[in-house]
Amino acid sequence: GDSVTQMEGPVTLSEEAFLTINCTYTATGYPSLFWYVQYPGEGLQLLLKATKADDKGSNKGFEATYRKETTSFHLEKGSVQVSDSAVYFCALEPGRRALTFGSGTRLQVQP
Amino acid sequence: EAGVTQSPTHLIKTRGQQATLRCSPISGHTSVYWYQQALGLGLQFLLWYDEGEERNRGNFPPRFSGRQFPNYSSELNVNALELEDSALYLCASSPGQVGTEAFFGQGTRLTVV
Repeated sequence: GDSVTQMEGPVTLSEEAFLTINCTYTATGYPSLFWYVQYPGEGLQLLLKATKADDKGSNKGFEATYRKETTSFHLEKGSVQVSDSAVYFCALEPGRRALTFGSGTRLQVQP
Repeated sequence: EAGVTQSPTHLIKTRGQQATLRCSPISGHTSVYWYQQALGLGLQFLLWYDEGEERNRGNFPPRFSGRQFPNYSSELNVNALELEDSALYLCASSPGQVGTEAFFGQGTRLTVV
């Protein structure tokens, strides 16, 4: 079946550090891939997405590239801020079916 | 444009009771998804409705059920509540097309005591 594996958290970084959160997936066919973010006490918001191989999604300084050969969609940001502290979820949509989420990675950015 | 709205925001029930959670999707969205997010855990898929029909359900017992109304709003019902049903229940909607993202509501925090 479809599945998403994310790196274990929490991830603790200092402000302006480089961020990578790893995400790999297993799916049949060619799923669409997403990163969602959940700020404390809130629902999930879409951060970025990619719908086909080699697509790069980007938003608010975050980027992720759809790598079909490694079945990965790693999230990166060059310089994190305290306001980026949240839980990040990688997800896939295997074509007209519900999103499958990873377990989430908590990011804590310290000033 | 209004986002996905869920009600109530908080719900406290006693073990054995029934809970009803409601979701209004974004206008024009035909698909509604329900997820359970227990404390410290990821999102577990519960149910997917599209065009009034249940399309898929996750690995949950039958006491978790729901429906989608002609206006595409949805209800999630949880019967015979157990303590471990305490969680944040998130509803999401999408236009139902491949590759389109789902938009989430703020969730209903259900506490079973």
